[in-house]
Amino acid sequence: KQEVTQIPAALSVPEGENLVLNCSFTDSAIYNLQWFRQDPGKGLTSLLLIQSSQREQTSGRLNASLDKSSGRSTLYIAASQPGDSATYLCAVRRRGAQKLVFGQGTRLTINP
Amino acid sequence: EAGVAQSPRYKIIEKRQSVAFWCNPISGHATLYWYQQILGQGPKLLIQFQNNGVVDDSQLPKDRFSAERLKGVDSTLKIQPAKLEDSAVYLCASSFPGSDEQYFGPGTRLTVT
Repeated sequence: KQEVTQIPAALSVPEGENLVLNCSFTDSAIYNLQWFRQDPGKGLTSLLLIQSSQREQTSGRLNASLDKSSGRSTLYIAASQPGDSATYLCAVRRRGAQKLVFGQGTRLTINP
Repeated sequence: EAGVAQSPRYKIIEKRQSVAFWCNPISGHATLYWYQQILGQGPKLLIQFQNNGVVDDSQLPKDRFSAERLKGVDSTLKIQPAKLEDSAVYLCASSFPGSDEQYFGPGTRLTVT
């Protein structure tokens, strides 16, 4: 059974800092991994999707990496801004299925 | 393009009462998902539909939860009777079949007292 873990559960940093969020998964037979953002009272917004054959994906100030062999992914946020404050969730999809298995999320606060 | 619509946005009920949630997916999305997100946890898939057929309901507590998608478009999720531990946000998502992209609605926050 796939289990996804995100550490830390919460993180608070000053504006302008670069930061890294971590995600680990127990079964390396994944199809892809996604990072989502969740704002209070709103649904999930997809940020980055990495296919199992890829090592990283970039979008603006965000960079996500994937190491399948070690069961780990990181989300790097450069030059953080108060608008980046949200909960960040990673989710993995198994080959042959559309079901996503989510981690519990990291609640990020960027202090002005 | 309109997103995934859900209603109601909030619901408070007493334990043992029944409740129903509604979801309207993005037009053309044949695949529809219901997730349960308990406070402090990630979403957990309850049921996945392809058109009006069930693809995966392995984590749906079938003694109290039911879901339907009669015409392959809108869907309803029902809980009867509700328990305190059902307090959560219920998220609906939709996608094209086989697509990597799932689009999420704003969710319905259920509080069971």
